[in-house]
Amino acid sequence: GAVVSQHPSRVICKSGTSVKIECRSLDFQATTMFWYRQFPKQSLMLMATSNEGSKATYEQGVEKDKFLINHASLTLSTLTVTSAHPEDSSFYICSARSSGETQYFGPGTRLLVL
Amino acid sequence: ELKVEQNPLFLSMQEGKNYTIYCNYSTTSDRLYWYRQDPGKSLESLFVLLSNGAVKQEGRLMASLDTKARLSTLHITAAVHDLSATYFCAVGRSGGGADGLTFGKGTHLIIQP
Repeated sequence: GAVVSQHPSRVICKSGTSVKIECRSLDFQATTMFWYRQFPKQSLMLMATSNEGSKATYEQGVEKDKFLINHASLTLSTLTVTSAHPEDSSFYICSARSSGETQYFGPGTRLLVL
Repeated sequence: ELKVEQNPLFLSMQEGKNYTIYCNYSTTSDRLYWYRQDPGKSLESLFVLLSNGAVKQEGRLMASLDTKARLSTLHITAAVHDLSATYFCAVGRSGGGADGLTFGKGTHLIIQP
């Protein structure tokens, strides 16, 4: 099956710093990538939809200036959490789809902001 | 606004028993997904259901979709301990698969020997 990787798998940072998370589709070209956030013992919430070469579409309530998304190629999307605060601590999961209906999820990145 | 409701949210059952998880959604959709999540891990795709009456089976799991009732079910047959996990249903919000998914709250399933 299709494989999606994320890097780093976990990161600890100080409040006020920025953190970049990479999402890569390893064996297929992803026309669309999605970023989700999952708080402990909760469901996944869609943050934004990212299409290669165009601006990301953010969900209501998600600050686009805080969560910068870049989809530079058909295999790479990045999420940068700018000026991170403790409330941004969460599990960030990306997914990717090519031409089919299935979304393939990455292994997730656990962010802890101190 | 699309809403997805799963029930039950927590289920403890014994090995060998059968049970069904229900997923209701509020607006028309042409895509219904079931995922499994183990603690601390990401999501594993189980089923993609794309049409009314669709039924898919993999091992002890079977999923079905009734688009008229806006209901999907995940049926577990003769449960085994390895199926213990959290199961999410998710619904696509519009045609063509371009939009992200709206997830239910998940069903935390514990299967006891």
